[in-house]
Amino acid sequence: AQSVTQLDSQVPVFEEAPVELRCNYSSSVSVYLFWYVQYPNQGLQLLLKYLSGSTLVESINGFEAEFNKSQTSFHLRKPSVHISDTAEYFCAVRGDTGRRALTFGSGTRLQVQP
Amino acid sequence: DSGVTQTPKHLITATGQRVTLRCSPRSGDLSVYWYQQSLDQGLQFLIQYYNGEERAKGNILERFSAQQFPDLHSELNLSSLELGDSALYFCASSVDGGSLNTEAFFGQGTRLTVV
Repeated sequence: AQSVTQLDSQVPVFEEAPVELRCNYSSSVSVYLFWYVQYPNQGLQLLLKYLSGSTLVESINGFEAEFNKSQTSFHLRKPSVHISDTAEYFCAVRGDTGRRALTFGSGTRLQVQP
Repeated sequence: DSGVTQTPKHLITATGQRVTLRCSPRSGDLSVYWYQQSLDQGLQFLIQYYNGEERAKGNILERFSAQQFPDLHSELNLSSLELGDSALYFCASSVDGGSLNTEAFFGQGTRLTVV
């Protein structure tokens, strides 16, 4: 079984400042990691994913996440946030055996202030 | 727009009642997943169907059931509703049974309020 811990429930940040949303996971098997974003009153959208290869993955809107196997982490970063980045961000994990459904963390609400 | 359609968007009902939530997956997707999102439990996986057959079960209560029809749409049935069942229910679909690199596309959810 897998589990995901998002250490911060809320992260307030000023516009154009850098941000890091933390995600740690626990698993007895190899995992594949995802970040989803949920804008107000909308469903979840895939932001980026790590399956294999380079441990640094990037999204089209400037976010990046780095898979760190030794620290079992997959933190999400953006060097300069925009008001439109205000949303809830969910880290998720899928193991390479057993159940294929995603296991989600509790979410981090990113609040970008002007 | 993810291509996954959920109806209704909002549902208000009384305790003890039964409701049905509907999900139409993206065209060509064979798998449907149901999730419950509540303030205290977060996003919990309920159940997965693949091409009409139950594939995996998560934290789904016995009062809840689901099915996937030949046209691949799915319904989640919630019965003997309790106040604690109030939540946002998401449906997601993917093209296959859940290969490791398969992306799941989420609908906008059905907000259920039990009064």
